[in-house]
Amino acid sequence: GAVVSQHPSWVICKSGTSVKIECRSLDFQATTMFWYRQFPKQSLMLMATSNEGSKATYEQGVEKDKFLINHASLTLSTLTVTSAHPEDSSFYICSASDPGYAGYTFGSGTRLTVV
Amino acid sequence: GENVEQHPSTLSVQEGDSAVIKCTYSDSASNYFPWYKQELGKRPQLIIDIRSNVGEKKDQRIAVTLNKTAKHFSLHITETQPEDSAVYFCAASHNFNKFYFGSGTKLNVKP
Repeated sequence: GAVVSQHPSWVICKSGTSVKIECRSLDFQATTMFWYRQFPKQSLMLMATSNEGSKATYEQGVEKDKFLINHASLTLSTLTVTSAHPEDSSFYICSASDPGYAGYTFGSGTRLTVV
Repeated sequence: GENVEQHPSTLSVQEGDSAVIKCTYSDSASNYFPWYKQELGKRPQLIIDIRSNVGEKKDQRIAVTLNKTAKHFSLHITETQPEDSAVYFCAASHNFNKFYFGSGTKLNVKP
């Protein structure tokens, strides 16, 4: 089946710094990837749709200048949390759809803690 | 956009009993409804899904039903086991585009 690899699995950073999270489709090409954020004991909230070779589409209320998304190749999308603050601490998870497999595959997630 | 509501938020059952989780959706264009199981700190895992051209789907102890007219779908787990304990999320999507998730149900199966 489709495999999506996400790194790092956890990261601790100081307030004001930036953090980059990578999401890779290992055995398929993903023209579209999705980024979600999940706060403790809450649901997955769609942040943005990452489109290969074009600008990402952000959901309402998500700051595009704070959460920078780059989808430069068919197998890699990155999410950069810029000038991170403690309220950005969350579980970030990506997903992608393999055209040959009807469904979504999620990455393993990244636990971000901003201190 | 799509709005998915899920109930109950927590569900506690005795081992061997059945568990039912219900979701409603708002966008009649949604045509794909997956259910995910998520254990603490891990990625959601697809456990069963249903498309809008089907009313019911079953896979061993797990079944999903869909009522398009009423815009609701349900997850049924029979003969529950302690390892079924987790958080379950429903979701709705149009043509595998964006997925909108329900708020989650924490299922606790007591041995």
